[in-house]
Amino acid sequence: DTEVTQTPKHLVMGMTNKKSLKCEQHMGHRAMYWYKQKAKKPPELMFVYSYEKLSINESVPSRFSPECPNSSLLNLHLHALQPEDSALYLCASSQEASGTSYEQYFGPGTRLTVT
Amino acid sequence: AQTVTQSQPEMSVQEAETVTLSCTYDTSESDYYLFWYKQPPSRQMILVIRQEAYKQQNATENRFSVNFQKAAKSFSLKISDSQLGDAAMYFCAYHGGSGSRLTFGEGTQLTVNP
Repeated sequence: DTEVTQTPKHLVMGMTNKKSLKCEQHMGHRAMYWYKQKAKKPPELMFVYSYEKLSINESVPSRFSPECPNSSLLNLHLHALQPEDSALYLCASSQEASGTSYEQYFGPGTRLTVT
Repeated sequence: AQTVTQSQPEMSVQEAETVTLSCTYDTSESDYYLFWYKQPPSRQMILVIRQEAYKQQNATENRFSVNFQKAAKSFSLKISDSQLGDAAMYFCAYHGGSGSRLTFGEGTQLTVNP
């Protein structure tokens, strides 16, 4: 099973709202990622969790707050977003171990619109 | 820093024909991993094919194959017998191994004409 699931599929929120994006994988992968993707552009890395610890934060504004409750789950908490934060948010996971080829498996994404 | 370049923003192909998407990359590493991802309009990013740099043999997955030229730092994707379902944005990506991150090219939008 090479499935990464994300909820919700679509989210519309105002600039004062608080919401969360959720991601789940059951492949036993120990690395999980959040990406932001604008239309017709490649994904931009936001955060990396390795073995449930935050290992990379790509200077993302504090209005985005990641959380990794366990090795299968990844959340992205959103607060006081700006209209320019509207994008597709992708979650991915990978084995991240020697002997693998480091391929990442992506979820279907959450389409976020900030009004 | 590693960079990945896809010089063809858009490509089109007739159904049942063959098309080749180009990708070049820049790295000083000798061991790394290369990928082609497909993102259809339904938006889920799907891994199409992978290539380990230490392997000389070009990877093949059904109708998809790569031409990996390590010295030239080139990694092109060939799609044979193109199908309507192949229409998508294709991203070439580079990974340098442990502790590295996935670096994407800007993508090539492939249209398949019936």
